[in-house]
Amino acid sequence: LAKTTQPISMDSYEGQEVNITCSHNNIATNDYITWYQQFPSQGPRFIIQGYKTKVTNEVASLFIPADRKSSTLSLPRVSLSDTAVYYCLVGDYNTNAGKSTFGDGTTLTVKP
Amino acid sequence: DGGITQSPKYLFRKEGQNVTLSCEQNLNHDAMYWYRQDPGQGLRLIYYSQIVNDFQKGDIAEGYSVSREKKESFPLTVTSAQKNPTAFYLCASRLTGGDEQYFGPGTRLTVT
Repeated sequence: LAKTTQPISMDSYEGQEVNITCSHNNIATNDYITWYQQFPSQGPRFIIQGYKTKVTNEVASLFIPADRKSSTLSLPRVSLSDTAVYYCLVGDYNTNAGKSTFGDGTTLTVKP
Repeated sequence: DGGITQSPKYLFRKEGQNVTLSCEQNLNHDAMYWYRQDPGQGLRLIYYSQIVNDFQKGDIAEGYSVSREKKESFPLTVTSAQKNPTAFYLCASRLTGGDEQYFGPGTRLTVT
């Protein structure tokens, strides 16, 4: 499973757009990139997944450059409730039994 | 109402005792996972199971045991051989070929 590197922490203010970048230099051809959100004392929750270019859903966008060695999770107009830890995972979930390696994540703090 | 449940939410044990954590899902998912999370850190994989009656060790399986006698259930036993059992334990499940893991609410185990 590819190793990922994320910033340890980020601060933002309500209403701003937040971009969290994840490096994954050793990503394999069949690997997908997945982001999870975790609140204190809760299980992580799936946010978004992508393979290349851009993916958007109702809560976030995921930007993946052509070389796929990094990815950026974009959260539009964050609110206080977006304060959480965000994990970037890389893996081929069809051949690795869905095993995931969670790094230490990025702690996002949204201020009023 | 489909989901994944873990019980109890909090568990206290004396050192030297084995303790079993419950994980049940009614999502009809084939794969199930157990993770351990220590304060300020990411999740580490303990065991996973892709089908009934089969399971594999994760990254930190020493001192733990599991069983998968039913599709819906994947209990984790923390044995006395686990040196530092106090942690937050998370169970997850995934549909084969699916892109996300669904997590339970977690069990916080304290061993003194």
